Amino acid sequence: EVQLVESGGGLVQPGRSLRLSCAASGFTFDDYAMHWVRQAPGKGLEWVSGIDWNSGSTGYADSVKGRFTISRDNAKKSLFLQMNSLRAEDTALYYCAKDIAATILGGWYFDLWGRGTLVTVSS
Amino acid sequence: QTVVTQEPSFSVSPGGTVTLTCGLSSGSVSSSHYPSWYQQTPGQAPRTLIYSTNTRSSGVPDRFSGSIFGNKAALTITGAQADDDSDYYCVLYMGSGIWVFGGGTKLTVL
Repeated sequence: EVQLVESGGGLVQPGRSLRLSCAASGFTFDDYAMHWVRQAPGKGLEWVSGIDWNSGSTGYADSVKGRFTISRDNAKKSLFLQMNSLRAEDTALYYCAKDIAATILGGWYFDLWGRGTLVTVSS
Repeated sequence: QTVVTQEPSFSVSPGGTVTLTCGLSSGSVSSSHYPSWYQQTPGQAPRTLIYSTNTRSSGVPDRFSGSIFGNKAALTITGAQADDDSDYYCVLYMGSGIWVFGGGTKLTVL
């Protein structure tokens, strides 16, 4: 089955770190760029970060630049998001999303989404 | 940072036609932004409707269409149905591997 399954969310205090994972199955993971998109409770979607098939290029939203790091392990068919210096405004459901292209530089689109993992930043 | 604008809410009668738009706080939307549209119902992950301005994703009914309308991207639903009652998001490619979503439009079909 073609799917993405996120994990690693939870309750964390402001200023602390958390690492999210996304396990891919049912498709050739290293053929495609991948992204993280988040959705705060009751709010809209926000693109967070993207990474090329070979990690050659990465991109970040201004709101997370310098605090979050995206990475991938093609051998393990996994995508990661290291989140440091977390803030209350980072509280959201974090989705992993597959790009239709191999690079994030092509302006394509997201064709497969996971169900998300919830991150709550609170003291 | 650039803000992508969408109508917060819209209402359409069953069988009616509605056009949702996606603009920029500064400048015009063009095909070079590769606008795409996603539908989301409560508790569900988004579903791709339209990509690269006007290409329907696989399985999407032809009552959904995309275009550039003036200086904005547009999603038109022709012959709205009850199950089109959802949130709709556009996303624009800003170059250099950066995407920005609009705030979303809550469409009510009644």
